[in-house]
Amino acid sequence: GEDVEQSLFLSVREGDSSVINCTYTDSSSTYLYWYKQEPGAGLQLLTYIFSNMDMKQDQRLTVLLNKKDKHLSLRIADTQTGDSAIYFCAEKRMNRDDKIIFGKGTRLHILP
Amino acid sequence: GAVVSQHPSRVICKSGTSVKIECRSLDFQATTMFWYRQFPKQSLMLMATSNEGSKATYEQGVEKDKFLINHASLTLSTLTVTSAHPEDSSFYICSARAWDRGNTIYFGEGSWLTVV
Repeated sequence: GEDVEQSLFLSVREGDSSVINCTYTDSSSTYLYWYKQEPGAGLQLLTYIFSNMDMKQDQRLTVLLNKKDKHLSLRIADTQTGDSAIYFCAEKRMNRDDKIIFGKGTRLHILP
Repeated sequence: GAVVSQHPSRVICKSGTSVKIECRSLDFQATTMFWYRQFPKQSLMLMATSNEGSKATYEQGVEKDKFLINHASLTLSTLTVTSAHPEDSSFYICSARAWDRGNTIYFGEGSWLTVV
């Protein structure tokens, strides 16, 4: 299949951790990405993970990859109001001319 | 670091006119660039793959005569929306592959097109 799947909405209280999940289908994916898009703005690359890695941590962000289940997650620790955005999971498919295929995006809403 | 620049960042055009969006790689050569479109509150859909010196490869369902792509140099690809209609209003974003940097993909800032 072609799809990259992620849930559309997530609400989290300020200060809690946010976990955004993503599943993909293409086993040839080499890199998996998380992008952030704020309202009216372009894409911001948050982090990425190579397919032979299980975990990557970068400050408040932790990416977990389960290659067997083709499952990717992004954990944002100590969620802040500035984290309110749409988060896109994306995969780079080596056997498709390095095309990057995006999920539909998860809208993260921060509760006070 | 590498930068991909898109211009214009926002454009308003009248129905029936054509509008050109540029995508430039500023400090690397990009033999391949990709064009995406984002509908409101939806994901980014790949429109076409642009290869320098050859015809673009369009994804299924994308009208090649409607969305003209030209990749005339190693640092510039253009997307021309011809005979624009209000339903073409969208966010268009390009990305470029840096072959000399492990084929890393860099995205532009995107261009908001509004057709009135």
